[in-house]
Amino acid sequence: DQQVKQNSPSLSVQEGRISILNCDYTNSMFDYFLWYKKYPAEGPTFLISISSIKDKNEDGRFTVFLNKSAKHLSLHIVPSQPGDSAVYFCAASAKSNFGNEKLTFGTGTRLTIIP
Amino acid sequence: DSGVTQTPKHLITATGQRVTLRCSPRSGDLSVYWYQQSLDQGLQFLIQYYNGEERAKGNILERFSAQQFPDLHSELNLSSLELGDSALYFCASSVSGALRGEQYFGPGTRLTVT
Repeated sequence: DQQVKQNSPSLSVQEGRISILNCDYTNSMFDYFLWYKKYPAEGPTFLISISSIKDKNEDGRFTVFLNKSAKHLSLHIVPSQPGDSAVYFCAASAKSNFGNEKLTFGTGTRLTIIP
Repeated sequence: DSGVTQTPKHLITATGQRVTLRCSPRSGDLSVYWYQQSLDQGLQFLIQYYNGEERAKGNILERFSAQQFPDLHSELNLSSLELGDSALYFCASSVSGALRGEQYFGPGTRLTVT
């Protein structure tokens, strides 16, 4: 059962335009969401996160939006740059007593920025 | 560079064999997580250790086991290997009480079972 879904395996965007990556989840216990970026031959790198008490979090060119009622989040990158070409993973976690919860990842979206 | 190291980078072995993957977390991080990424799949959580003790278990096969040592490095042992175990294995670490869910990943070990 895929609890975190990224339905677009790939996305191509012109340099300078907005990239929008989408993610859906099914587990209503998830209350913390993250986006990771992965270049070939490297491990995923944390990009941005959002708690379920918020509906938006912004960090420079990156903004994550959370729609709890739709169980949907999206990552906006604007303006898109060639260095943004990578695989983007959405991840979610549910609160536990321990504080460091396991992350449930989506299957990733390969973003290609066209110069 | 995340500060998390994994060895070896690549491993090629035959079915039925046993291998050990090693991970050194970032300095000061007490939690270590292991993930498996098969072809075209997302990262699947395997197991978490915190300060030497098993903390959470995911979809880890009985043929797989892990441990975290007093110096906080961790090893993932994979035995009776099958072709389907071929994958990228990532280790991640985090500090207890750090930003929730933010984990720092190593570069991964690519395991090929032939």
